[in-house]
Amino acid sequence: DAGVTQSPTHLIKTRGQQVTLRCSPKSGHDTVSWYQQALGQGPQFIFQYYEEEERQRGNFPDRFSGHQFPNYSSELNVNALLLGDSALYLCASTLKAGAEQYFGPGTRLTVT
Amino acid sequence: SQQGEEDPQALSIQEGENATMNCSYKTSINNLQWYRQNSGRGLVHLILIRSNEREKHSGRLRVTLDTSKKSSSLLITASRAADTASYFCATDLSNTGNQFYFGTGTSLTVIP
Repeated sequence: DAGVTQSPTHLIKTRGQQVTLRCSPKSGHDTVSWYQQALGQGPQFIFQYYEEEERQRGNFPDRFSGHQFPNYSSELNVNALLLGDSALYLCASTLKAGAEQYFGPGTRLTVT
Repeated sequence: SQQGEEDPQALSIQEGENATMNCSYKTSINNLQWYRQNSGRGLVHLILIRSNEREKHSGRLRVTLDTSKKSSSLLITASRAADTASYFCATDLSNTGNQFYFGTGTSLTVIP
């Protein structure tokens, strides 16, 4: 049973560019959440997708957007990258609201 | 500021000793979860305790929850070098569904 997978593992982008990160949830999970984790900090909730719609959103600007596909996989898009967007981006899936989350290994994004 | 805050920020102990870390939060919760993170990679779920529970055990882990004080503690007994990691508490706020807030974490080092 495959766990949560994310791609790519590492990514280097230039300020102003756009990036797309991908996530496949654990088998049987239909809810995907995205987190941003800066160095030395805890994960910060970006948003959550359920039934192909954004269900919850944290305190992140509109430059951060997402999508969920019918197979429950998800994408995180960040436009107009800033140096401060450099972080580890984590995807987590869950079976039902309030249950434990299963995290992927993350994508390390570096903006230069 | 973050909903959950762990204390201490860093903890260093000898193998075989017990490690205790604490988490405080600000608003009412549905449940509280503890996660472990090794070397800045994905988080691993350790234990979930619901707001109507006071104590929960899982192997060498013991979690307590005091909703009147808005605090939780994680005790790791008979620590091992492999327990070296960062530990985070995450709170599921009562009125926001499946949106988790993570603290800044406790960095635990277990010296062999």
